[in-house]
Amino acid sequence: QVQLVQSGAEVKKPGASVKVSCKASGYTFTDYHMHWVRQAPGQGLEWMGWINPHSGGTNYAQKFQGRVTMTRDTSISTAYMELSRLRSDDTAVYHCARFYNFWSAFDYWGQGTLVTVPS
Amino acid sequence: QSVLTQPPSASGTPGQRVTISCSGSSSNIGSNTVNWYQQLPGTAPKLLIYSNNQRPSGVPDRFSGSKSGTSASLAISGLQSEDEADYYCAAWDDSLDGHVVFGGGTKLTVL
Repeated sequence: QVQLVQSGAEVKKPGASVKVSCKASGYTFTDYHMHWVRQAPGQGLEWMGWINPHSGGTNYAQKFQGRVTMTRDTSISTAYMELSRLRSDDTAVYHCARFYNFWSAFDYWGQGTLVTVPS
Repeated sequence: QSVLTQPPSASGTPGQRVTISCSGSSSNIGSNTVNWYQQLPGTAPKLLIYSNNQRPSGVPDRFSGSKSGTSASLAISGLQSEDEADYYCAAWDDSLDGHVVFGGGTKLTVL
């Protein structure tokens, strides 16, 4: 069965960077784009971008360009999202989500990783 | 401010039918399919409806979706207490270089 298992919660100081991992299992990792979506406390979902695990190609939301880097390690079927120059408003739960191209939808989600940036 | 507009809240009593709207523009809903996600408290979002009106395996047929022009709707019939959750619409947006946009979410309360 498809599973996306993310790394544990992080607390970071303002200005620091955080790198969240998302380990995929139950399917061929390189066959599906991986997207990242975040959710600030009590707020809605915010799309951050995607990575093509096959080619390494990426596409980031304008809001995060210059601060976000999405990478992958195909040998361990893991995608990464690194966000730099953290601010207090980056405090959120970060989810990875598999994109099923045939449905043009996110069919599986990671459990989420809470990143806290104290003000 | 979300690109797609949803009402912040909706409510209904058990057994009732509830609809949640999602309004967009020609660059997103008007030219791409709409998906709906359900997020139960404290959990990750779950795909509820894809391609405007299709249900993944395991989603009850009480849930249905529709789209017309630049708007979409999610309908829940035979409302149950376990349907109390946040619901989000989403679509690709062609004006944003192939980016995904979400609605702000609708919190559904079962009275």
